Amino acid sequence: ETGVTQSPTHLIKTRGQQVTLRCSSQSGHNTVSWYQQALGQGPQFIFQYYREEENGRGNFPPRFSGLQFPNYSSELNVNALELDDSALYLCASSGGAGGLTDTQYFGPGTRLTVL
Amino acid sequence: DQQVKQNSPSLSVQEGRISILNCDYTNSMFDYFLWYKKYPAEGPTFLISISSIKDKNEDGRFTVFLNKSAKHLSLHIVPSQPGDSAVYFCAARGETSYDKVIFGPGTSLSVIP
Repeated sequence: ETGVTQSPTHLIKTRGQQVTLRCSSQSGHNTVSWYQQALGQGPQFIFQYYREEENGRGNFPPRFSGLQFPNYSSELNVNALELDDSALYLCASSGGAGGLTDTQYFGPGTRLTVL
Repeated sequence: DQQVKQNSPSLSVQEGRISILNCDYTNSMFDYFLWYKKYPAEGPTFLISISSIKDKNEDGRFTVFLNKSAKHLSLHIVPSQPGDSAVYFCAARGETSYDKVIFGPGTSLSVIP
């Protein structure tokens, strides 16, 4: 059983650009969530995908969008990058049927710097 | 509006002693509480959890206590080891894993040899 992987590890972009971050979930996990972790803060929920459909969203603008694919991979896309988008972006996958004790497993994150 | 609070940004404990990390929450609809540990350059790792119908859950050196009336939980690590030095996040969600998980800001624990 492989863990959750993310690419790239680090990324530098300039304001106004677009970025795509990638995540590969654990095999068999049908749910993926994306989080933004700013410096000195806890992870903030961006959105969650279940079987390729978005089924929950946090307080993030529409320029944050995502995709989930049948092969357990997913993407986070951010358009019109702003300086405040600089953060660690984490994806987490879980494989249960939505039960109380289902646990999310996190990837190592992608560090995005917007200049 | 911070629904999950960890009021101690950092904590230092001597090796072998008890580490107590505290967490408070405001949303009475939370049904499930989790603790994650995070090392630098790694993603958070699940540590231990507790359902709102329980007041204690134990796993080896780690015990989580929940006081629902006070909306307070704590993580006890006994005995503390240098390898426990990490950032600990308290998190909470509703009754299904489809509910969004709300994280606290974290407490950085340093265990001194």
